[in-house]
Amino acid sequence: SSELTQDPAVSVALGQTVRITCQGDSLRRYYASWYQQKPGQAPILVIYDKNNRPSGIPDRFSGSSSGNTASLTITGAQAEDEADYYCNSRDSSGNPHVVFGGGTKVTVL
Amino acid sequence: QVQLQESGPGLVKPSETLSLTCTVSGGSISSYYWSWIRQPPGKGLELIGYIYYSGSTNYNPSLKSRVTISVDTSENQFSLKVTSVTAADTAVYYCARGLVGVNHNYYFDYWGQGTLVTVSS
Repeated sequence: SSELTQDPAVSVALGQTVRITCQGDSLRRYYASWYQQKPGQAPILVIYDKNNRPSGIPDRFSGSSSGNTASLTITGAQAEDEADYYCNSRDSSGNPHVVFGGGTKVTVL
Repeated sequence: QVQLQESGPGLVKPSETLSLTCTVSGGSISSYYWSWIRQPPGKGLELIGYIYYSGSTNYNPSLKSRVTISVDTSENQFSLKVTSVTAADTAVYYCARGLVGVNHNYYFDYWGQGTLVTVSS
């Protein structure tokens, strides 16, 4: 079982804001990173080091963290944002092992 | 632009060894943590393990006894072997480039397109 917990699915109206959360003890110590995965495609990094966006990622994607919860917010969701989103971080033991959340399916209505 | 490409058999028989290679182009394999991540059909992502360019490795504890990751810096490639495979090892296998973040977290900035490996007789 994953040490990072995500809601299985969320929906958002076109143009509205959606927040996706990731919970785990390791997030008290380590930042989460976030990935977008569309059907049949490899994941794409969208947020790293809590709230940094790689080149080419729209600024409607942002990250935040509080306590044991990391969040990915999409402000003004677009149809092309419909995808699965995964968080990842170090595991809570402090070993150099990486864990992923179970993923959240975002549906844009 | 860094690109990663997985290669290897798409079908492996139960109890045999799964072998994949990832070729890195557009950048050097020196530095970074070169990683293997898999995704069973319809399920989430699982880190298999990673290797630093110098050769040090770290494996998922649940797979450690069956997994070996190696690197060939002269060919800009790294490889994965999983022994004694079962149907539970059927998945899309991705190679990815890993980095250490500002507070020692790990993240993956470049991914291969993935290759489906089916374990079946």
